[in-house]
Amino acid sequence: SYVLTQPPSVSVAPGETATITCGGDYIGTEMVHWYQQRPGQAPVLVIYFINDRPSGIPERFSGSNSENTATLTISGVEAGDEADYYCQVWDSSRDYWVFGGGTKLTVL
Amino acid sequence: VQLVESGGGVVQAGRSLRLSCAASGFTFNNYILHWVRQAPGKGLEWLALLSHDESRKSLKGSLIGRFTISRDDLKNTLYLQMNGLKIEDTAMYYCARDREGGSLDYWGRGTLVTVSS
Repeated sequence: SYVLTQPPSVSVAPGETATITCGGDYIGTEMVHWYQQRPGQAPVLVIYFINDRPSGIPERFSGSNSENTATLTISGVEAGDEADYYCQVWDSSRDYWVFGGGTKLTVL
Repeated sequence: VQLVESGGGVVQAGRSLRLSCAASGFTFNNYILHWVRQAPGKGLEWLALLSHDESRKSLKGSLIGRFTISRDDLKNTLYLQMNGLKIEDTAMYYCARDREGGSLDYWGRGTLVTVSS
C-alpha cells in the first residue's frame, strides 16, 4: 500500500516561512493535494494539483513536488495558520485516496 | 455548496448505523463523493468513494464486508451503511466532494460515531 510520511510537527515564528514535507515513493510523479484542519473544524483544501490554490486561499500558500518529496510552503506565517496539515494522493493501483499522517504547525 | 452529515451517535459494538450526507448548492450527480473519518486525536483516513452511476465505486479493503457506500441522486444524499461496528470505528465521519483530479474541495462538518463496549 502507498504510504505518505509527514513530520509530526513543525514550529515557526510569525512572519517566517513554514515548510511541511510529504514523502512517498515516486511522489514526484503524483498529483499531490494539501489540506488544512484547524482544531475542531473540517479539513479545507489549500493546494491542489501540486501548486494550485482554490479561491480564497492566500498566495502565501504554495506547493512543490520532486522525486520522493512533496512540499507545502507557507510564507509570512500568521497565527491563524496554526493547524494540522495533510498531504493526499490518489493510489491508482487500487483506486484509493491516501492521506499522510498529518503535520501540526505551531506558530511560536 | 453544502454537505451536511447526520446519523451518528453512540452505539454498542456489533450494532449498525447508517450515516447520511445531504448535499446542496451543486449538481449532485455530476460529482464523485467520498467518506473520510478521523479517530479522536488521529489523522484522516479515507474510507470510500462513489460516482453517480456507480461506475466508479471503491471501498477501503479492511472495511469490505462491514461498510457499504451508496447514494440517492433524487434525494441528493450519500450514505454509509456500517455494520458490525467495532470500538476502533469510533471517529468523526466526513463526506467530501471530489473536485475532479483527486482533490476534495468541499467537506461537511462531520458526524460523530462512538462505539461502546
